[in-house]
Amino acid sequence: QVQLQESGPGLVKPSETLSLTCTVSGGSISNYYWSWIRQPPGKGREWIGYVYNNGYSNYNPSLKSRVTISVDSSKNQFSLKLTSVTAADTAVYSCASSTSGDYAQIDYWGQGTLVTVSS
Amino acid sequence: QSVLTQPPSVSAAPGQKVTISCSGSSSNIGNNFVSWYQQFPETAPTLLIYDNTKRPSGIPDRFSGSKSGTSATLGITGLQTGDEADYFCATWDSRLQTVLFGGGTKLTVL
Repeated sequence: QVQLQESGPGLVKPSETLSLTCTVSGGSISNYYWSWIRQPPGKGREWIGYVYNNGYSNYNPSLKSRVTISVDSSKNQFSLKLTSVTAADTAVYSCASSTSGDYAQIDYWGQGTLVTVSS
Repeated sequence: QSVLTQPPSVSAAPGQKVTISCSGSSSNIGNNFVSWYQQFPETAPTLLIYDNTKRPSGIPDRFSGSKSGTSATLGITGLQTGDEADYFCATWDSRLQTVLFGGGTKLTVL
């Protein structure tokens, strides 16, 4: 069974870049779609985007100009970078994986990690 | 406010049946598959239903999904206290080109 674990700074300053990594265990990173999803405190979930093992990515249009999701097959990891963050980017960030091309069908989720944007 | 609308809470007695609705539009539920998830506090969500009606391996047949028009429904029969959790729906939106999530429904088994 695939297990996902997010890691990265829990505090990021405004205007800086949020960087998170998701480590995949129990499965090969070559076989799935890898996604990031976030949920601001007290608000609904928001899909950030996904990357496929060949590097193809697709992002939420509302975040597209600031987001990069990439895969490091040698480390069985994938990562999220979100630039020019503001307080509105404060959220629990979760990594996830899908075996299907249906991006809403998420087979495995990480526990999530809270990232706070504050000076 | 989520584009996919779910009731904030539902409740029923042990052994009874409950349904949870997820309402959307033609650009999302009306023309795309719906998935359902179960989430207990402080844990990662679990996929319950995909492709509107299918259950992943290991999910009991007490859980079922259906879709009609621009709404989807999750049904749970033979309720158990262990079913108390948050349930949310998800689907692709062809107009917005993004995955949408419902706001979640808290199930209480009285």
